[in-house]
Amino acid sequence: EIVLTQSPGTLSLSPGETATLSCRASQSISTIGHNHLAWYQQKPGQAPRLLIYGASTRATDIPDRFSGSGSGTDFTLTISRLEPEDFVMYYCQKYGTSPYTFGQGTKLEIK
Amino acid sequence: QLQLQESGPGLVKPSETLSLACTVSGGSIRSTSYYWGWIRQPPGKGLEWIGSIYYGGNTYYSPSLKSRVTISVDTSKNQFSVRLSSVTAADTAVYYCARHTLYCSTTGCSPGWFDPWGRGTLVTVSS
Repeated sequence: EIVLTQSPGTLSLSPGETATLSCRASQSISTIGHNHLAWYQQKPGQAPRLLIYGASTRATDIPDRFSGSGSGTDFTLTISRLEPEDFVMYYCQKYGTSPYTFGQGTKLEIK
Repeated sequence: QLQLQESGPGLVKPSETLSLACTVSGGSIRSTSYYWGWIRQPPGKGLEWIGSIYYGGNTYYSPSLKSRVTISVDTSKNQFSVRLSSVTAADTAVYYCARHTLYCSTTGCSPGWFDPWGRGTLVTVSS
């Protein structure tokens, strides 16, 4: 079973800065032409919201401040020009083969 | 706009069976482009995928829950359901249902990302 490890557990930054969140898979989750990784944002008391799929494709209505990159086992979610509402939880999720597991999450907090 | 809504008891006794339903509105559960999934989140913890089902009945389950979980679909009600048997306090969580988009390549199709999600329902296991 492929395990996803997110780092850091907590990231402290200020509004206006750039956040770099990491998600590492225990084995490759990429195939020719596609990286099987999604990113989600979860605000307190709400369901997760899809941000990115295919490691780098933004979901509908997601601002371009959010970008994803990576392949193989190492993936990054970058959030530019941080706004106050961005300081919440973020999860990565692998797909392609079952089980469709999530990383343990990164909390983005205001410094 | 597709919406999902979880429903079911908020309190279940230990050793009993947890049963929840997810009603899909604004679209058909019979779409060939999607599976339908259940995910849970214990209070203060991360997300755990439980399992997913296609409208035709094909299922995928989490290995850690497979012995206790059954997911079913009722296309006449545009609804899918989860049953988790022999529950303990460790099964206390917010349970979400979500549409599980199929990703297709030259080698075939498989479930991918979850979007959209229901609002979730808290199920507490306690006597």
